[in-house]
Amino acid sequence: SQTIHQWPATLVQPVGSPLSLECTVEGTSNPNLYWYRQAAGRGLQLLFYSVGIGQISSEVPQNLSASRPQDRQFILSSKKLLLSDSGFYLCAWSVSENTEAFFGQGTRLTVV
Amino acid sequence: KNQVEQSPQSLIILEGKNCTLQCNYTVSPFSNLRWYKQDTGRGPVSLTIMTFSENTKSNGRYTATLDADTKQSSLHITASQLSDSASYICVVRGLGAGNNRKLIWGLGTSLAVNP
Repeated sequence: SQTIHQWPATLVQPVGSPLSLECTVEGTSNPNLYWYRQAAGRGLQLLFYSVGIGQISSEVPQNLSASRPQDRQFILSSKKLLLSDSGFYLCAWSVSENTEAFFGQGTRLTVV
Repeated sequence: KNQVEQSPQSLIILEGKNCTLQCNYTVSPFSNLRWYKQDTGRGPVSLTIMTFSENTKSNGRYTATLDADTKQSSLHITASQLSDSASYICVVRGLGAGNNRKLIWGLGTSLAVNP
C-alpha cells in the first residue's frame, strides 16, 4: 500500500532562517506531488506541484521554492523565512491530476 | 467571490443524528468534484470523487450527491459518530487548459458531533 511521510510535524523558526521540509511517498512510482499551505480560516492554497523528477510548477510567487531530487521525494525550502510564511504546510500525492490526492500529516510552521 | 461556497460554515449535531452539508460552485466547465474530511491539525482525507456524469456516490455512512445542472453538491452523513467531528471540504477541478484545470478548494464546514 502507498504511504506518504512528511516531517517535521511542528517547527518554530526565527525570521530570516532557512527552511527545509521533506516529503516522501512509498509504494508507488512517478506520482504527482504537491505542496499546499493552509492558513487559519482559509482554504488550501497550492504552492507547487510536480509531475516528474526535476519538474516543478509554481502556483504562487513567494518566498519559497520546491525541488524533486528523486521520484518520490519532494522538498519545500526557503532561504530566509518571513513572518508571513507561518502556516500549516501539507504535502500530497496523486496518480494523476484527475484522481484523489492523498495528504501527509502536515507541518505546523511558526515563524517568530 | 470564491468559486466554491460551502454552507453552513459550522454545524453542531448530537451523536446518532444525520446531517447534510452543502456545496455550491461556479467553476465551469468542471472535471470532477471531491469531498475531503480534515481532522484538526491533520491532512485532509478523501471521502468521494465524482465526475459530472455521476449523481451520487457513497462511502460508508457518507453519501455525496451532485447536480451538475444547478452546480450543487451535498454530503450527507448518516448516524453520526463522535469521530465525524472534523472539517468537510468541497473541492472542484475545472476542465480545460491552464488555470481552468486547477483545484478550487472551499473553506469547509466545521462539524461538531456532541454526545
